[in-house]
Amino acid sequence: AQTVTQSQPEMSVQEAETVTLSCTYDTSESDYYLFWYKQPPSRQMILVIRQEAYKQQNATENRFSVNFQKAAKSFSLKISDSQLGDAAMYFCAYRRTRSGAGSYQLTFGKGTKLSVIP
Amino acid sequence: EAGVAQSPRYKIIEKRQSVAFWCNPISGHATLYWYQQILGQGPKLLIQFQNNGVVDDSQLPKDRFSAERLKGVDSTLKIQPAKLEDSAVYLCASSLTTGFNSPLHFGNGTRLTVT
Repeated sequence: AQTVTQSQPEMSVQEAETVTLSCTYDTSESDYYLFWYKQPPSRQMILVIRQEAYKQQNATENRFSVNFQKAAKSFSLKISDSQLGDAAMYFCAYRRTRSGAGSYQLTFGKGTKLSVIP
Repeated sequence: EAGVAQSPRYKIIEKRQSVAFWCNPISGHATLYWYQQILGQGPKLLIQFQNNGVVDDSQLPKDRFSAERLKGVDSTLKIQPAKLEDSAVYLCASSLTTGFNSPLHFGNGTRLTVT
């Protein structure tokens, strides 16, 4: 079974600075998808960024970028120019690609609570 | 476009009582998911529907949990009887397809407290 580990329960960053959230995963699959979701106090999970495992190029979305190290099974999220609105829980998630029962479920880590200091 | 709608927002019940949650996905989304998020953990998939058929319910405690998606649109998740460990946020999500480029859209969830 796949597992996702986020080793930082809490992180803080000064406004306008850069912060990196860590995520490691365990899988025997060679092709899969990885995601970072943001969950503010409203509880709605919001997709931040996604990566296909077969693509070596790291995904970027405006101030958000990832460092995907497939051999190390590591998928960290970098937030540049942090803003107060970035404060939230951040969840790393894994999804298999091949068909079959359960193939579309997301396996989430336990999350990292990010605080942004003004 | 309107987002995924869930109700109620909060629910407090006593153990052994029953409760139901409702979800209205984004119009046209064929796939619907129910996730359970216990405090301090990431969400866990309970059940996945494709239109009105069940694709995956392997992690649904079927002795007490049931879900349906009549007519392939709205869905309800029921717990009967509830246990203390069912206290959690229940998130509904939908997606147009199950492809990588069809992300999940989540609702705001229902926070259930069982006393």
